[in-house]
Amino acid sequence: DQQVKQNSPSLSVQEGRISILNCDYTNSMFDYFLWYKKYPAEGPTFLISISSIKDKNEDGRFTVFLNKSAKHLSLHIVPSQPGDSAVYFCAASANDYKLSFGAGTTVTVRA
Amino acid sequence: EAGVTQFPSHSVIEKGQTVTLRCDPISGHDNLYWYRRVMGKEIKFLLHFVKESKQDESGMPNNRFLAERTGGTYSTLKVQPAELEDSGVYFCASSNSRHTDTQYFGPGTRLTVL
Repeated sequence: DQQVKQNSPSLSVQEGRISILNCDYTNSMFDYFLWYKKYPAEGPTFLISISSIKDKNEDGRFTVFLNKSAKHLSLHIVPSQPGDSAVYFCAASANDYKLSFGAGTTVTVRA
Repeated sequence: EAGVTQFPSHSVIEKGQTVTLRCDPISGHDNLYWYRRVMGKEIKFLLHFVKESKQDESGMPNNRFLAERTGGTYSTLKVQPAELEDSGVYFCASSNSRHTDTQYFGPGTRLTVL
């Protein structure tokens, strides 16, 4: 019944390289997608979002891509920095306020 | 501007006891949400308040959970009686009016039921 899936539980990347996080969804009614970042013992922090009418949104080092036909979105972080080490959650909503989250991907940026 | 705050940060109780979690949203935010993360899995929606009214409580697991939002300000989530499977991290979030407005999360309350 999980409608948002992050199939990679972890990702390790070298500092300065690109991090690519993937997310798949099943609900075709989702029209708004977000990425949140979470450090240990803290709540999720909003990172970037994209509406279903777009296929790309960029904010500094972070870019989110949306492929509606494949029901897939990805988050690119470039260049990766040590402070990017955290858990990243993909989330989606369907013209309502309820967010459906994936299980998260733990990113480790190696020096 | 103060963020979303939650109290307590941790709670350890025995099965059958009662626990009340509190959330103070960002001032002026009409929308308040409760979510839960169990065993490192996905974060799951529990319910949504608009001011003092429950807008959507489709995620509430069962009638052992009771949420209130007095006067449309802070909210409480009571679990009575607590069961082992209620253990997890309970997050509160708040947002402005539109459904695309960012939901700002609190630090969470880690609940352990023994």
